[in-house]
Amino acid sequence: GEDVEQSLFLSVREGDSSVINCTYTDSSSTYLYWYKQEPGAGLQLLTYIFSNMDMKQDQRLTVLLNKKDKHLSLRIADTQTGDSAIYFCAEVPERSSNTGKLIFGQGTTLQVKP
Amino acid sequence: GAVVSQHPSRVICKSGTSVKIECRSLDFQATTMFWYRQFPKQSLMLMATSNEGSKATYEQGVEKDKFLINHASLTLSTLTVTSAHPEDSSFYICSAEATSGGALSEQYFGPGTRLTVT
Repeated sequence: GEDVEQSLFLSVREGDSSVINCTYTDSSSTYLYWYKQEPGAGLQLLTYIFSNMDMKQDQRLTVLLNKKDKHLSLRIADTQTGDSAIYFCAEVPERSSNTGKLIFGQGTTLQVKP
Repeated sequence: GAVVSQHPSRVICKSGTSVKIECRSLDFQATTMFWYRQFPKQSLMLMATSNEGSKATYEQGVEKDKFLINHASLTLSTLTVTSAHPEDSSFYICSAEATSGGALSEQYFGPGTRLTVT
């Protein structure tokens, strides 16, 4: 099966909070990542979390990690129209730890309605 | 912050011709660069890992003779799509790793190159 899975689409209203979820299979991944991709552009690293942390907050972004359930989430507070993009979670599985190869989820398209 | 550029951003070529895409790390040295391919509304598919001064490591199913990768310096990697066909049309993205070794993979991505083969 896939190493990393995400739901494909999320729609929220401007000002609401968005929660994007991700599940992964390799519990030995040391870091887990969130990337943002705007239309026609490359990926921007938003944040990452070390596997021994449960939560990391960075301004409007909150990452929650549940290692037991292998579940990662990204919460965006006060979502703005500029947050509309595709969000990818990613990990570097143990088998690739010496190469840095990222395994990406399918991406969640976030649509923010005014 | 670390910046990675790609050139060209868009290219249209005729079937049978070859196209070269450049990936540059502008303000840092990258011992490792990665090349990805992305189809519309899909995730990134890793094609190959490129290390400076050595041969690239290709993922299973990627033809190394068709997708030639050269990582000639710590700031430049090139991907050449040889004898391009319409099915090679895609969005190609490179990334450069700012640190080598360690568990944290800090990859910085280029803006991508849209290749259209007619």
